[in-house]
Amino acid sequence: QKEVEQDPGPLSVPEGAIVSLNCTYSNSAFQYFMWYRQYSRKGPELLMYTYSSGNKEDGRFTAQVDKSSKYISLFIRDSQPSDSATYLCAMTLGGYQKVTFGTGTKLQVIP
Amino acid sequence: EAGVTQFPSHSVIEKGQTVTLRCDPISGHDNLYWYRRVMGKEIKFLLHFVKESKQDESGMPNNRFLAERTGGTYSTLKVQPAELEDSGVYFCASSQDWVSEQYFGPGTRLTVT
Repeated sequence: QKEVEQDPGPLSVPEGAIVSLNCTYSNSAFQYFMWYRQYSRKGPELLMYTYSSGNKEDGRFTAQVDKSSKYISLFIRDSQPSDSATYLCAMTLGGYQKVTFGTGTKLQVIP
Repeated sequence: EAGVTQFPSHSVIEKGQTVTLRCDPISGHDNLYWYRRVMGKEIKFLLHFVKESKQDESGMPNNRFLAERTGGTYSTLKVQPAELEDSGVYFCASSQDWVSEQYFGPGTRLTVT
């Protein structure tokens, strides 16, 4: 069983839609949860970072962590064509060391 | 400020050959990480340097892989001899310290034929 499960998609939505991306994980020791965005032929770029359970909002992006269910989500409001990318959930046992990634979900926002 | 750079961007080699990948971290970043993504799989951690010392090399797949960071600046990852299953994208990341964000390079796409 993979440590982190993420639906690879692809996910195609119209511009302006609300996007929901999700991951589940098996290791209850994970404490730090991240979402990365990766454009084609580029490296992952940190989008959101949360510690333990709860919500965090940054502009059009909201990250949610539910440690009791081992479930994390990323919501994108008013999605834009520029949001088209692969979104990777990730987590660590402490800080940013040794990041464990999901496989990534490819998102396409249609104008 | 320049980001993390990796060279080459793409390498095609035959099985049994040797390849050396290079990573130049952001200036002043003591922490350097190597990750790998093989086809259809998730990005996986390989190892972590703090300056020139290997802090964690638990993700290195086998002894055909050798990572070095002489002088605590750039790092190299050598694969010798390369096997077909080594094909994938190798990412390097750097951070100022272990609690800071890791900045990723664009990756080196390795194809072993």
